[in-house]
Amino acid sequence: QVQLQESGPGLVKPSETLSLNCTVSGGSISTYYWTWIRQSPGKGLEWIGYVYYSGSTYYNPSLESRVTISVDTSKNQFSLRLSSVTAADTAVYYCVRISYTTTWYFFDYWGPGTLVTVSS
Amino acid sequence: DIQMTQSPSSLSASVGDRVTITCRTSQSISSYLNWYQQMPGKAPKLLIYAASSLQSGVPSRFSGSGSGTDFTLTISSLQPEDFATYYCQQSYSTLYTFGQGTKLDIK
Repeated sequence: QVQLQESGPGLVKPSETLSLNCTVSGGSISTYYWTWIRQSPGKGLEWIGYVYYSGSTYYNPSLESRVTISVDTSKNQFSLRLSSVTAADTAVYYCVRISYTTTWYFFDYWGPGTLVTVSS
Repeated sequence: DIQMTQSPSSLSASVGDRVTITCRTSQSISSYLNWYQQMPGKAPKLLIYAASSLQSGVPSRFSGSGSGTDFTLTISSLQPEDFATYYCQQSYSTLYTFGQGTKLDIK
């Protein structure tokens, strides 16, 4: 059974960089896309971006200038960095696996989520 | 961005009821539509992908239908554990987007 677990600071100061890791267990990080999704009361569920196991990435254009997602296959981990954060970035952050068939893409395994609060 | 609009935003129903939730998209997305269930304080869980394909392990009382811009999630006979928030999500565009959610609670 694949399991994902987010880790990182729960409190980040405004203008600083939010950094989260996601550890994948019970399966290999290879062959899949891995993504970050956040959820805040004001904006609902928001897709942030993904990384393929090869390292290629694609980001939500609304966040692209501040986001970096990377993968470390040797550790079975992937990571999120979001720079210049403001209170609007306060949310629960989920790491998620994207599964796909020949045609269909869907989010099938989710981490439990971690609340990140942006405050001084 | 593809906009997703769910209706209703909230719904009260009783155990045993048949419930339908609708998701409408701002442009045609063929069948690239997924449904998720979220319990309070938990991560969303995949129920349906490709508009009508049941994810492994999901009870058969859940079903999905639709294509183009109009989709439905149906729960044929509500069980106590089904009271949750439901989200639709499109995968037609790589800029994945979600509906705002439908909260289903007990009448």
